[in-house]
Amino acid sequence: EAGVAQSPRYKIIEKRQSVAFWCNPISGHATLYWYQQILGQGPKLLIQFQNNGVVDDSQLPKDRFSAERLKGVDSTLKIQPAKLEDSAVYLCASSPYPPVNNEQFFGPGTRLTVL
Amino acid sequence: SQQGEEDPQALSIQEGENATMNCSYKTSINNLQWYRQNSGRGLVHLILIRSNEREKHSGRLRVTLDTSKKSSSLLITASRAADTASYFCATASGAGSYQLTFGKGTKLSVIP
Repeated sequence: EAGVAQSPRYKIIEKRQSVAFWCNPISGHATLYWYQQILGQGPKLLIQFQNNGVVDDSQLPKDRFSAERLKGVDSTLKIQPAKLEDSAVYLCASSPYPPVNNEQFFGPGTRLTVL
Repeated sequence: SQQGEEDPQALSIQEGENATMNCSYKTSINNLQWYRQNSGRGLVHLILIRSNEREKHSGRLRVTLDTSKKSSSLLITASRAADTASYFCATASGAGSYQLTFGKGTKLSVIP
């Protein structure tokens, strides 16, 4: 079974530029999560999708971050414009609904560096 | 906000020794999970313990949960160099909520 795919793996941009990350969850997983993991910290949930609907985006900085999952499969997370403090690893995770043992399956992440 | 706080932040042991990591949390939970993250990789689920359980085993892993103290511990026995990673506890709380709140993690180094 293929895992969660993310691209790109690494991205370096200047502040005020835009960037987009892509995630393809495990086939059949209805729930998709985007997390931000700052160096030395645990992942922080940004947004949760159930199929193509948003379940929770309370921690998404909506003035600069946006995310979509139009067809209920893959998803894109965008930052526009980027700030220095956005430097982090962006993790995508997926799970079936309801999740088995509450387990989430994580992709390898995209490491973003904002200069 | 991050619910769990792992202790210690970093741990270095010799191969073959046991490693113990602790996690404290603030609110009542449905379950608590432990995840491992190898350098530059995503997180991998290790083990889940429900709020009505006190101890769980999986291979070389042993997890305990004390809901009265709002704390959990992860014990890795007979550690191997391949166990070198960061370990995170994650809590799920709230009726019907499958969201996870992660702690800051413990960085474990196992020296061959």
